[in-house]
Amino acid sequence: DTAVSQTPKYLVTQMGNDKSIKCEQNLGHDTMYWYKQDSKKFLKIMFSYNNKELIINETVPNRFSPKSPDKAHLNLHINSLELGDSAVYFCASSLRGPGLSYEQYFGPGTRLTVT
Amino acid sequence: QKEVEQDPGPLSVPEGAIVSLNCTYSNSAFQYFMWYRQYSRKGPELLMYTYSSGNKEDGRFTAQVDKSSKYISLFIRDSQPSDSATYLCAMSAGFGNEKLTFGTGTRLTIIP
Repeated sequence: DTAVSQTPKYLVTQMGNDKSIKCEQNLGHDTMYWYKQDSKKFLKIMFSYNNKELIINETVPNRFSPKSPDKAHLNLHINSLELGDSAVYFCASSLRGPGLSYEQYFGPGTRLTVT
Repeated sequence: QKEVEQDPGPLSVPEGAIVSLNCTYSNSAFQYFMWYRQYSRKGPELLMYTYSSGNKEDGRFTAQVDKSSKYISLFIRDSQPSDSATYLCAMSAGFGNEKLTFGTGTRLTIIP
């Protein structure tokens, strides 16, 4: 039943490690997003894919690399983790088209803690 | 200066009160204006959206957009303890530029 799911829910790791977060949606949407929410609850877009094509690529360190194997999945790989990467990462999905992408469905979030 | 400014609160009101939440923005290209609600340790969920200027009502919630002033509001009537959450305004320029730009969120607590 879960619309947008993310794994893992919690991730605790040390500086310098490489980690991945997975996201899957079963809503039939064609567009998926990664957001980062910092400790002050500020939610900022990182990437967006439409049908496996990158359409939004914000100013994000190139240690972050998204991968979309198909339109229902969007993964986020992070190399050489730093303390400042600690945050909650949300995956979201929507349809793309005039007046459609405002309605984004968010996953439960992955709480990443880098020590 | 951020593109979207929102008073972070926290805001505490007694049950039954009318709540007013506001955002201002600087980008005149924004056409879609949304309010998302986020409960603690959950993902945001869309509460309401408005296209361009005007008002929209849905039950106890009313969204207002004044593009001339670059100001949007969300009103909650007869507030309930279940309304306690963080409310995030979000804006988008629309198709072809679908990026949602969020405010910092206002943490609201309704006191029974």
